[in-house]
Amino acid sequence: GDSVTQMEGPVTLSEEAFLTINCTYTATGYPSLFWYVQYPGEGLQLLLKATKADDKGSNKGFEATYRKETTSFHLEKGSVQVSDSAVYFCAFHRDDKIIFGKGTRLHILP
Amino acid sequence: DAGITQSPRHKVTETGTPVTLRCHQTENHRYMYWYRQDPGHGLRLIHYSYGVKDTDKGEVSDGYSVSRSKTEDFLLTLESATSSQTSVYFCATNREGTGGIRPQHFGDGTRLSIL
Repeated sequence: GDSVTQMEGPVTLSEEAFLTINCTYTATGYPSLFWYVQYPGEGLQLLLKATKADDKGSNKGFEATYRKETTSFHLEKGSVQVSDSAVYFCAFHRDDKIIFGKGTRLHILP
Repeated sequence: DAGITQSPRHKVTETGTPVTLRCHQTENHRYMYWYRQDPGHGLRLIHYSYGVKDTDKGEVSDGYSVSRSKTEDFLLTLESATSSQTSVYFCATNREGTGGIRPQHFGDGTRLSIL
């Protein structure tokens, strides 16, 4: 069935390090793909999205490319900051619902 | 954000008591959702609504009921709370069904502890 698999973490990096959070999905067809971010004590908010194959979503220095061949949507950032510490969720929409991964907790050390 | 207010933000109650959580939105979004977030499980859908008086079950609906009598309000009720329902509950809304490309908008959550 439909599902999203992402590394669960926690991922701990030093400030200015390169970040990759892997995400792969199983779905029929080619759904729109999303990354949501949850900062401490808050709800989820959209970070970026891509609506078709080879699209690249970007926001706040984060990027992810919709790879149809590998059914992946990996999140990357070239130089992370302490303020990027949060939980990141990969997701896609199916019918009237969203299929979420379990989230990856990211800690950035100063 | 989409003007989503969850109330209460924190609640502690005892096993066996009824609990109602409220989600209020000001954006006139048609779709509303209730999730619970637990360590190791991510977000799990409890119930959702696709219009006034129109609701459907999610993957973890047992022990929960919902009501939507107005577009702006979506209530989640635990008829007889159990310790396994201790969690953080999030409400979300969407202007349209998620078959489209629009993201969901989330409230800030309700932390519920059942002793």
